[in-house]
Amino acid sequence: ELKVEQNPLFLSMQEGKNYTIYCNYSTTSDRLYWYRQDPGKSLESLFVLLSNGAVKQEGRLMASLDTKARLSTLHITAAVHDLSATYFCAVDLLTGANNLFFGTGTRLTVIP
Amino acid sequence: EPEVTQTPSHQVTQMGQEVILRCVPISNHLYFYWYRQILGQKVEFLVSFYNNEISEKSEIFDDQFSVERPDGSNFTLKIRSTKLEDSAMYFCASSEMRDSTDTQYFGPGTRLTVL
Repeated sequence: ELKVEQNPLFLSMQEGKNYTIYCNYSTTSDRLYWYRQDPGKSLESLFVLLSNGAVKQEGRLMASLDTKARLSTLHITAAVHDLSATYFCAVDLLTGANNLFFGTGTRLTVIP
Repeated sequence: EPEVTQTPSHQVTQMGQEVILRCVPISNHLYFYWYRQILGQKVEFLVSFYNNEISEKSEIFDDQFSVERPDGSNFTLKIRSTKLEDSAMYFCASSEMRDSTDTQYFGPGTRLTVL
């Protein structure tokens, strides 16, 4: 059974601190996506990682992909309150239809 | 900036009734998807659609579900006889190309409540 697990599920951190969210998946894939979801809202695309070793950065967020370890990370640098949201990773199952299998989500709360 | 739109934003229905959820994908996109998210849980893939036919569907997408692109702009999800467990947020998504760096853009969602 395919699993996409995120760790931690809940994260409360103070502004200015750094932290990493982990996404482990159990299938072979070299396409991984990170999305952000604010409460009651839709999913906003953050990063698309398409190969082993891919690293992308946008503002205080940086994502990386290690396809051999089947692991992606989302690193938060000097967190600010505006980053509070739920973050989902999603794996492309490479079935040809670009279907995404989402992780469990990490609910991040940044405390001022 | 182009965006995916969905209507209605909230649909309340009685168990056993049929519902149709509507989506207008981004105009130059060719691939369309439906996902659902039960409250507090992860997002689950339902179905993908390309060239007027289903590309792939999940186990959730049983005979009670159907999708259609009735015209050049709308993409609909029909649930023939709703069950309590169908209560969820339903997201439509679209992408320009399947095998590229293009990501899937999600609509704002329709919250379906089955009573």
